[in-house]
Amino acid sequence: QITLKESGPTLVKPTQTLTLTCTFSGFSLSTSGVGVGWIRQPPGKALEWLALIYWNDDKRYSPSLKSRLTITKDTSKNQVVLTMTNMDPVDTATYYCAHQPTTAWDFDYWGQGTLVTVSS
Amino acid sequence: QSALTQPASVSGSPGQSITISCTGTSSDVGGYNYVSWYQQHPGKAPKLMIYDVSNRPSGVSNRFSGSKSGNTASLTISGLQAEDEADYYCSSYTSSSTLVFGTGTKVTVL
Repeated sequence: QITLKESGPTLVKPTQTLTLTCTFSGFSLSTSGVGVGWIRQPPGKALEWLALIYWNDDKRYSPSLKSRLTITKDTSKNQVVLTMTNMDPVDTATYYCAHQPTTAWDFDYWGQGTLVTVSS
Repeated sequence: QSALTQPASVSGSPGQSITISCTGTSSDVGGYNYVSWYQQHPGKAPKLMIYDVSNRPSGVSNRFSGSKSGNTASLTISGLQAEDEADYYCSSYTSSSTLVFGTGTKVTVL
């Protein structure tokens, strides 16, 4: 059974760096083809894809946010970490991590999401 | 990359069929068979309903079907039920080896 759970601060100040951790179970990020992605959703708005990391450490980023994002993995801890620099109130959103199955471009298992508010 | 275009809302009566469109470009929807559809109920995480344009994950009702023509993908819900009332999002692989989501569609069961 695959599960994912996001953790991190619920409140960050403008200009600060956000660090979110996705802790997962039921699969290994050392399995060929598997990936973990991050997606966010501002309150009342649409989903926005942020980043993806593969089993082989290949990384993909949203072109519009690439300069602010870093995604890393710790295979031994079953964790994926997303950092986003220079946070702004418009970055207020629920942040989800999700499992991408082998050789696919969809997310079949999602975490419950964590709401991050950016405010001074 | 711009978000894929979906109608803001679609409605139907119980038992009817509805179709949600998802329009992109030849650099995303039209160029690859990697279109997915997600259902999201209020306060919940999205749920994968369709992948690779027309495939249903195990456990998803066969009332949900997907298709694609040119730069537009579609999700059809047949035999509409009250539990289908939710937001629906499409997504597509892009030529930049990234992913893009749609603007979202609110489905209302009348």
